[in-house]
Amino acid sequence: ETGVTQSPTHLIKTRGQQVTLRCSSQSGHNTVSWYQQALGQGPQFIFQYYREEENGRGNFPPRFSGLQFPNYSSELNVNALELDDSALYLCASSKANRGNNYGYTFGSGTRLTVV
Amino acid sequence: AQRVTQPEKLLSVFKGAPVELKCNYSYSGSPELFWYVQYSRQRLQLLLRHISRESIKGFTADLNKGETSFHLKKPFAQEEDSAMYYCSGTYKYIFGTGTRLKVLA
Repeated sequence: ETGVTQSPTHLIKTRGQQVTLRCSSQSGHNTVSWYQQALGQGPQFIFQYYREEENGRGNFPPRFSGLQFPNYSSELNVNALELDDSALYLCASSKANRGNNYGYTFGSGTRLTVV
Repeated sequence: AQRVTQPEKLLSVFKGAPVELKCNYSYSGSPELFWYVQYSRQRLQLLLRHISRESIKGFTADLNKGETSFHLKKPFAQEEDSAMYYCSGTYKYIFGTGTRLKVLA
C-alpha cells in the first residue's frame, strides 16, 4: 500500500509567479484535502476534492485553485504569489463518503518559499 | 463559527505521569473529531478517531458533548510520546494550533 506522495519537496518562487504542487493519494483513497501550514501554526484547510469535485473550501482567495484527476491524484495551483504564501503545503487523502471522514493520511509536504 | 481550540502550546510531564492534552470544539452539528500526532522529522499521522472509541499507544479520547471537549489522555507517559499533537474536527476539516508534549526522564 503506497502512502501519499507530494512533489516537489521544496520550491522557491518569486512574488507574482504561479506555482503548481502535486499530490498522489494513497491507494484506495478517493478524497484529497490540501492544507497550508505556516511555521508554528496548525494546518489551515484550503479545500477538499471528492471524486473530482470541490467538496468544501476554507478561507483562501480564488487564486488558490485545485484539481483532482480520475486516479484521485490532485494539484494545488496558486496564482500571483505573495510573500505570505510561504509555508508548508500538506496534502492529505482519505477514504470518505460525503459527510464521513475516516481520518487522513498525510504527505510529507511541499515547502514553498516566495521571495 | 466552527473552531477547534487547543489551549496549551506546550505541556511538559515526567515519565510515568498522567497526560491530558486538551481540545475544545465549537460546532453546531454532530462533530467527528480526531487526534493527529507528529513525531520529530516525521509526517502527521492519525492517532485516534472519536467514532472508533479505541486506544492507540495507550492513548484514549472521549467526546464530551456537554463540555464540547475531546481531550486526549494517557495514564502513564513514555519518553517516546514526546511529539506535536493536533486535534481536528471534521466540518471544514479544521485543525487546532497543536500542543507540544515533552515527556521528561
